[in-house]
Amino acid sequence: QVHLVQSGAEVKKPGASVRVSCEASGFIFNTYYLHWVRQAPGQGLEWMGRINPEGDTTNYAQKFQGRLTLTRDSSTSTVSMELSSLRSEDTAMYYCARVNTAVVDSDAFNIWGQGTMVSVSS
Amino acid sequence: QSVLTQPPSVSAAPGQKVTISCSGSSSNIGNNYVSWYQQFPGAAPQLLIFENGKRPSGIPDRFSGSKSGTSATLAITGLQTGDEADYYCGTWDNSLTGGVFGGGTKVTV
Repeated sequence: QVHLVQSGAEVKKPGASVRVSCEASGFIFNTYYLHWVRQAPGQGLEWMGRINPEGDTTNYAQKFQGRLTLTRDSSTSTVSMELSSLRSEDTAMYYCARVNTAVVDSDAFNIWGQGTMVSVSS
Repeated sequence: QSVLTQPPSVSAAPGQKVTISCSGSSSNIGNNYVSWYQQFPGAAPQLLIFENGKRPSGIPDRFSGSKSGTSATLAITGLQTGDEADYYCGTWDNSLTGGVFGGGTKVTV
């Protein structure tokens, strides 16, 4: 079965950084684009960024430029999201998501991680 | 505010039909495929529709999608109480070089 399993909830202080991991199983890891989407409490979905199958190309939403870093490790089939300079507005559920087609990117995310809650509070 | 515009809520009686609109522009919906997601409280989103109108395996044909110009529509027929959820449209935006979502629509049955 195809799964994305994310790391556990995090509580951080403003100004700190957070790293969330997403371990893949059940598919050929280095053939799929992986994206990150977040959802603030009671709010809608917000696209954050993507990383290509090879792990050498990333795209980030403008609002996260300079604060967001996506990486992937094919040896552990894991993609990681690091967000720095955290502020209270970054409190949200963070999801990793796999596109539905191998090799090429897509806007359709058919496999989602279970989500990781990141809380930012002083 | 979201790049794609959806109504905040729609409602209908069991067995009836609802449609959810998703309005965008030429930089997103007008030149890219649209996907639709269903999300229940406390759960991750689930892909309902991709490439404007295709359903992943396991998604009932009560759910259908269409696109015309810079707008897309999700239709749900034969409404069931189990369809009560939030629904989001999503696509790629060529100007932003990133994914975009609608603000979400709450369906009440």
